[in-house]
Amino acid sequence: AQSVSQHNHHVILSEAASLELGCNYSYGGTVNLFWYVQYPGQHLQLLLKYFSGDPLVKGIKGFEAEFIKSKFSFNLRKPSVQWSDTAEYFCAVLCSNDYKLSFGAGTTVTVRA
Amino acid sequence: EPEVTQTPSHQVTQMGQEVILRCVPISNHLYFYWYRQILGQKVEFLVSFYNNEISEKSEIFDDQFSVERPDGSNFTLKIRSTKLEDSAMYFCASTTSPEQFFGPGTRLTVL
Repeated sequence: AQSVSQHNHHVILSEAASLELGCNYSYGGTVNLFWYVQYPGQHLQLLLKYFSGDPLVKGIKGFEAEFIKSKFSFNLRKPSVQWSDTAEYFCAVLCSNDYKLSFGAGTTVTVRA
Repeated sequence: EPEVTQTPSHQVTQMGQEVILRCVPISNHLYFYWYRQILGQKVEFLVSFYNNEISEKSEIFDDQFSVERPDGSNFTLKIRSTKLEDSAMYFCASTTSPEQFFGPGTRLTVL
């Protein structure tokens, strides 16, 4: 079965600090990769996605992620976080032989003003 | 921009009662999904639906659960006899491409 691992359960940082959230998956075939964000009390919103092409993808709100196929990773980055980035972040994978998303456990990001 | 909608936003029910959670997917989408998120846990796949039938379901989706697309626009999840452990956020999603579009969720609280 497909598994998605997010390395950090809870990250606490100050405004303007850089953020990197790790995500690894276990499927060896073709994948589509996603990062979703869930702000407190709100629903899942797509931050960015990778289907093919340039492995460095840019999303909304200054986020980017890099797909490294050899490492089965899709890490999320933001150079300078804001207080409003406080949220839960989920990595999700869609395998080529499947139609359902497999989610990681999520990382709670708390940005202190 | 078209979006997935869900009703109600919050449902409180007594254990053993039936609940129906409703979703209106994006109109030209063909694949529909239900996911759930128990508080503090990750989002889990429940069921996928295509061409008016279930295409895949998880081990969570037991006989207490059913899905239906009764009128070509709504997509419903029924839990026949709710248990305390069914308390969760239930998300509907729809797609025509790899990207799935999620609704705002229904928070189900079973007392």
